[in-house]
Amino acid sequence: DSGVTQTPKHLITATGQRVTLRCSPRSGDLSVYWYQQSLDQGLQFLIQYYNGEERAKGNILERFSAQQFPDLHSELNLSSLELGDSALYFCASSESQQATYGYTFGSGTRLTVV
Amino acid sequence: DQQVKQNSPSLSVQEGRISILNCDYTNSMFDYFLWYKKYPAEGPTFLISISSIKDKNEDGRFTVFLNKSAKHLSLHIVPSQPGDSAVYFCAASERMGGSQGNLIFGKGTKLSVKP
Repeated sequence: DSGVTQTPKHLITATGQRVTLRCSPRSGDLSVYWYQQSLDQGLQFLIQYYNGEERAKGNILERFSAQQFPDLHSELNLSSLELGDSALYFCASSESQQATYGYTFGSGTRLTVV
Repeated sequence: DQQVKQNSPSLSVQEGRISILNCDYTNSMFDYFLWYKKYPAEGPTFLISISSIKDKNEDGRFTVFLNKSAKHLSLHIVPSQPGDSAVYFCAASERMGGSQGNLIFGKGTKLSVKP
């Protein structure tokens, strides 16, 4: 157990729907990062939050949004889902704003859009 | 455009031999590099890292080499063991630059170590 908790582990939903993925960072970590891993693709950085504030943005679609709450857990909201959104979504956390010592990843949420 | 490239999608090695995984990058501002290992149904786990001020970092059976002039790094696993079979991701960051705080990952190399 890495200490980063992601729920749910699996999610199957229809096109056009909206889902929320949840992440609880490792105790003491203030940064949360979201990544998407599609088939045959590497880990694509979506967005980072640090202590409740957006810190960096990557290739995140406008249909996607995220937030980090006062208790430091984070949610990734995916709306108007398309077949191509099917992927593994990973959350990671780190103590600081920077990745100097790397992240700790959760085990991911597998999203299937049908 | 991919800033971190792992051009070999897969690698097969005999147990006990050396595994060499390669990674190239294009952004000269990257100053910190990491390798992650990923087993099926699990998240990536940190393996080893190297700062741009070094050219080698060693941790047990794992050694990472950095060639800044060639913008190339490699991960050596000696000796390879069947439990090393996993997908290995190379990642980079620019700690003082615009992407500070997040890592840029390659697509990964699937290593298979055969008994």
